[in-house]
Amino acid sequence: GESVGLHLPTLSVQEGDNSIINCAYSNSASDYFIWYKQESGKGPQFIIDIRSNMDKRQGQRVTVLLNKTVKHLSLQIAATQPGDSAVYFCAENGAAAGNKLTFGGGTRVLVKP
Amino acid sequence: DTEVTQTPKHLVMGMTNKKSLKCEQHMGHRAMYWYKQKAKKPPELMFVYSYEKLSINESVPSRFSPECPNSSLLNLHLHALQPEDSALYLCASSQRGVQADSGNTIYFGEGSWLTVV
Repeated sequence: GESVGLHLPTLSVQEGDNSIINCAYSNSASDYFIWYKQESGKGPQFIIDIRSNMDKRQGQRVTVLLNKTVKHLSLQIAATQPGDSAVYFCAENGAAAGNKLTFGGGTRVLVKP
Repeated sequence: DTEVTQTPKHLVMGMTNKKSLKCEQHMGHRAMYWYKQKAKKPPELMFVYSYEKLSINESVPSRFSPECPNSSLLNLHLHALQPEDSALYLCASSQRGVQADSGNTIYFGEGSWLTVV
């Protein structure tokens, strides 16, 4: 079936380094993608989104890249800080699925001081 | 900070109890959602309300009963739950009850941690 998945379940990164979190999706009809950050004990927090008519979008210290050819999405965090430690989920809208989001499995980012 | 407010933050209930989870948003959003999240898993959609009407029920057992009293409030009534229903219950909202897109992003609350004993 259609799914959104992540390549790495856990990513350890040194404070100050850049982080890259990857996500593969299989629903070629999806045209909107979101990255959420979920800290321990909290709900998912919107980070950044991208539509399929774009291949790159930048926010504050974060960049999302979309490669529709290989159905790949990535989130880059610049100068990773301890507060970036969390689980990151990608999600897709699945163009034929109404207002239902399909989530990837999640990647835990651990920032080492 | 999220503008979707959920209460209570923690709830412990017995299998014969009746309790409710509450959610409120004042962003003028017309779509509200209930998700269930087990540990180390992504959120799973349960219900969607669009313009105060139930538009999606993901085959959720009847022991979970949603209610949308008005466009700002969403409740989840719980009765005769099982221990396996213990999870984080997330409320979310979006501008409209149609496909998620830029300008119609889904925003989540902090969740209610439910333990069924």
